[in-house]
Amino acid sequence: EAQVTQNPRYLITVTGKKLTVTCSQNMNHEYMSWYRQDPGLGLRQIYYSMNVEVTDKGDVPEGYKVSRKEKRNFPLILESPSPNQTSLYFCASRDRRIQETQYFGPGTRLLVL
Amino acid sequence: AQTVTQSQPEMSVQEAETVTLSCTYDTSESDYYLFWYKQPPSRQMILVIRQEAYKQQNATENRFSVNFQKAAKSFSLKISDSQLGDAAMYFCALPSKLVFGAGTILRVKS
Repeated sequence: EAQVTQNPRYLITVTGKKLTVTCSQNMNHEYMSWYRQDPGLGLRQIYYSMNVEVTDKGDVPEGYKVSRKEKRNFPLILESPSPNQTSLYFCASRDRRIQETQYFGPGTRLLVL
Repeated sequence: AQTVTQSQPEMSVQEAETVTLSCTYDTSESDYYLFWYKQPPSRQMILVIRQEAYKQQNATENRFSVNFQKAAKSFSLKISDSQLGDAAMYFCALPSKLVFGAGTILRVKS
């Protein structure tokens, strides 16, 4: 089954404690991206990657890091989380052809205390 | 910069009636696609309909259709014969740069 998986699905942490949210896709997609979803602001892109070892900043990259060492994985790293990073996070992937839809992960709800 | 703007934070429609959700965008690309996604309470993202910019004919998928005005950079979604299952957040998106609008919450009244 074609899918994007994210782990964990829910996470409560404290300010400053490094965390990683994993994302993996099994469709051999080149493009992967991370979004955060906040009320009234929609989906805002954090980082995206067009291929292995190629990553670019999206609209709201501050406080986040990513890596793309393998095609299937695109982890999101919060080196020192802060309360304003409390949000719902989505990972997505798609084929290089822009007419193809993105496949979204189930979301990770993060609460930073 | 590529932007997508949805000016209606929330809309309501009576069951079986028609509703239109608005979207405007800006892009420097000459050929591009536009998508509408639906996000139900489960939070999954579902592609509703897509439109290729060079096609003049408006896309249609069953009860969902678009009104694509390229010169005005407008891409609205029309839902006909609204059903309770249509209640969701709807996002307009420019897939080439993976840019989304802020979303419109659609409520369907029975």
